[in-house]
Amino acid sequence: NAGVTQTPKFQVLKTGQSMTLQCAQDMNHNSMYWYRQDPGMGLRLIYYSASEGTTDKGEVPNGYNVSRLNKREFSLRLESAAPSQTSVYFCASSDLLESSYNEQFFGPGTRLTVL
Amino acid sequence: TQLLEQSPQFLSIQEGENLTVYCNSSSVFSSLQWYRQEPGEGPVLLVTVVTGGEVKKLKRLTFQFGDARKDSSLHITAAQPGDTGLYLCAGEDASYDKVIFGPGTSLSVIP
Repeated sequence: NAGVTQTPKFQVLKTGQSMTLQCAQDMNHNSMYWYRQDPGMGLRLIYYSASEGTTDKGEVPNGYNVSRLNKREFSLRLESAAPSQTSVYFCASSDLLESSYNEQFFGPGTRLTVL
Repeated sequence: TQLLEQSPQFLSIQEGENLTVYCNSSSVFSSLQWYRQEPGEGPVLLVTVVTGGEVKKLKRLTFQFGDARKDSSLHITAAQPGDTGLYLCAGEDASYDKVIFGPGTSLSVIP
């Protein structure tokens, strides 16, 4: 039982390049989330998917797209990377049917640098 | 827009000391969660508090939810170096489909 896994762990991009961050969970959770974490800013929600087949914008969606490929997988795509997207990206999952509260389980993060 | 503030932002103490960190908001939350994040890792859930005035204990950690469900505190007794990390509070959105995180308190416990 691996929980939430993310790939890659580290990535360096040049401005304008594109990439996709992958996330998978094996806990059969319905909801999945993408956050970015910057110093002093806490975790800010980029996009989330409350269930398979649905996605919604969070607090900071500009410059990102997501795909809920199936119940297990939720990917985050940067179409044209900018230095302002240098951050640590976390994927999380939760399930309100399993717990009455939106308790989040996080992956280990992807550290992205855009030059 | 719901916001959570945490104080202090940084805290450095000696092993064995007691400490309290705070999480405050002007909004009411249906529940509030506390997470600990160690360097290079993702946050890990410590506790969820739900009822106004609720107190939960996890070994040397005591969590309290304010009566009005707008604020919370975390008290650590006899801090250990293993308590070092970033402590994040998170309020559950009224729609239940997302949570809002505070900026965190970075705790360093010196042996």
